[in-house]
Amino acid sequence: DTEVTQTPKHLVMGMTNKKSLKCEQHMGHRAMYWYKQKAKKPPELMFVYSYEKLSINESVPSRFSPECPNSSLLNLHLHALQPEDSALYLCASSQPQGRLEQFFGPGTRLTVL
Amino acid sequence: AQKITQTQPGMFVQEKEAVTLDCTYDTSDPSYGLFWYKQPSSGEMIFLIYQGSYDQQNATEGRYSLNFQKARKSANLVISASQLGDSAMYFCAMRSSNFGNEKLTFGTGTRLTIIP
Repeated sequence: DTEVTQTPKHLVMGMTNKKSLKCEQHMGHRAMYWYKQKAKKPPELMFVYSYEKLSINESVPSRFSPECPNSSLLNLHLHALQPEDSALYLCASSQPQGRLEQFFGPGTRLTVL
Repeated sequence: AQKITQTQPGMFVQEKEAVTLDCTYDTSDPSYGLFWYKQPSSGEMIFLIYQGSYDQQNATEGRYSLNFQKARKSANLVISASQLGDSAMYFCAMRSSNFGNEKLTFGTGTRLTIIP
């Protein structure tokens, strides 16, 4: 199984809502990533989990809260977002060392009203 | 600091022709890896090809090959016999290490359009 799944595919939320994005992989990878991608821009790294521990936080605002409950799952909890947070959120996984070839999920298109 | 540069914002290529997408990089690390990803309009990032800095031969994966010129710090992607399905955004990326934590740095991308 070489697939990374993400749910939901689309999400519309108000600025006072709390929602979560979910990512799952069954490739035995021990590193998982959250990226944010605005239109016509490259993905921007947000968080990296290595062996279920947060290893990189790229100075992301606290309204984004990541969670890695186990080696297969990665969540991104959203609270009090701003309209400028509207973007495509991509999850990826890889082995934590070596080639670092990352496998990406299809993404969640988030719209904040 | 690592940097990836893609100087072609957009390219139009006739179907069945070969196409070269440019990528240059800058790093002081002796060991690094270079990747190419394809992103169709659906949004998913699809891994295409990998080149390690110590690899003696240029990487190839089907219709994709990587023209790796280490001294010039370039890693151009060559797509042979282009197809309509190759129309997408293409990103060059480099593996970098930050206090032992490895991550990818992406270039700004090239939008490739294949013309029938």
